[in-house]
Amino acid sequence: GQQVMQIPQYQHVQEGEDFTTYCNSSTTLSNIQWYKQRPGGHPVFLIQLVKSGEVKKQKRLTFQFGEAKKNSSLHITATQTTDVGTYFCAGLNDYKLSFGAGTTVTVRA
Amino acid sequence: NAGVMQNPRHLVRRRGQEARLRCSPMKGHSHVYWYRQLPEEGLKFMVYLQKENIIDESGMPKERFSAEFPKEGPSILRIQQVVRGDSAAYFCASQGQGGTEAFFGQGTRLTVV
Repeated sequence: GQQVMQIPQYQHVQEGEDFTTYCNSSTTLSNIQWYKQRPGGHPVFLIQLVKSGEVKKQKRLTFQFGEAKKNSSLHITATQTTDVGTYFCAGLNDYKLSFGAGTTVTVRA
Repeated sequence: NAGVMQNPRHLVRRRGQEARLRCSPMKGHSHVYWYRQLPEEGLKFMVYLQKENIIDESGMPKERFSAEFPKEGPSILRIQQVVRGDSAAYFCASQGQGGTEAFFGQGTRLTVV
């Protein structure tokens, strides 16, 4: 079955630095979605990418969907303490949404 | 998202009891997912349901776990004869037709004592 893998599992970032988290699927995806879960909270939808090679930005967050529609990345610039949480990618294939294991981000002030 | 309602928010059960977790999807959504999350771990897929149908239950343990999404009423995740290892947060998410974003409920934190 479809597998979605994310790396790294943990990301410890100095406040103000940039980082990237990567997502890879074993199969071609209809679309890829990104979610954020704050500590103690529930996952909240951030964005959806549909087109091959698509790039979308939300303030300091840049999301990219690979040309083959099998991988994606989330890049955060100038990390802030509000960025703390776990970021999940989720691949949609045959109407099944499969989540990666997430990248848990901690920020050093 | 406040539109997806899960109850109870917290559930304590003794070993051997049954746990029933409820999920009311957003209005108009006919697809429901259930996920399990252990502390500091990711979301593990359990089951994907449409109204009156189980589409994919490949993530459900073969024994003690069952799920349903009846024509009327909420989706139910049922765990029989709970064990300590069942302690986790259980999230449901609902989705509209056509593969749109998933809206998560706030989860049910199950503690087995």
